[in-house]
Amino acid sequence: AQSVTQPDIHITVSEGASLELRCNYSYGATPYLFWYVQSPGQGLQLLLKYFSGDTLVQGIKGFEAEFKRSQSSFNLRKPSVHWSDAAEYFCAASNPGDYKLSFGAGTTVTVRA
Amino acid sequence: SAVISQKPSRDICQRGTSLTIQCQVDSQVTMMFWYRQQPGQSLTLIATANQGSEATYESGFVIDKFPISRPNLTFSTLTVSNMSPEDSSIYLCSVVVAGDYNEQFFGPGTRLTVL
Repeated sequence: AQSVTQPDIHITVSEGASLELRCNYSYGATPYLFWYVQSPGQGLQLLLKYFSGDTLVQGIKGFEAEFKRSQSSFNLRKPSVHWSDAAEYFCAASNPGDYKLSFGAGTTVTVRA
Repeated sequence: SAVISQKPSRDICQRGTSLTIQCQVDSQVTMMFWYRQQPGQSLTLIATANQGSEATYESGFVIDKFPISRPNLTFSTLTVSNMSPEDSSIYLCSVVVAGDYNEQFFGPGTRLTVL
């Protein structure tokens, strides 16, 4: 069965420190991959997406993600976290050409001063 | 991109009643979807809202419980029928905009509490 796994339920990071959120997928073929952020009381915002090509993807708000086929991973990174990055982060995937998204369980990021 | 509005933004309902949620988009979209986010959980796709025809439901979701309409390219409704406390969730619509291949934009969600 197709699935998206986010192994970390909750991560706490100090402001200014780097952040990495893990995402693994299980799909028959390489899926399209996405990272979304959900701030408290807000809707989902797309941070970045990967369809094909360059495996390092740049997104908004200083985020980037790296696709690693050998590890079936699509980890999200940010070099220096700001307090406003505290939110819930969701990794999602879809089959190429299919718009239906499967979401991981989400990772809650807490930023401490 | 797309600007998506949902009504109501939140509601508190009694069990056994029904609630209809509206989703309006400011541009023509190719596809519209409805998702559910149960408390503390991730998002689960309920169905694809098809223009002018019956929605396509995912496993575990049925039309009698979640009837969906999509009369045109920019508007859809989701009804949560005969509600129970287990239906307490955030319901989100999402759209794929013509030209934004495979990028989905999400509405702000409707927070439903069933007592």
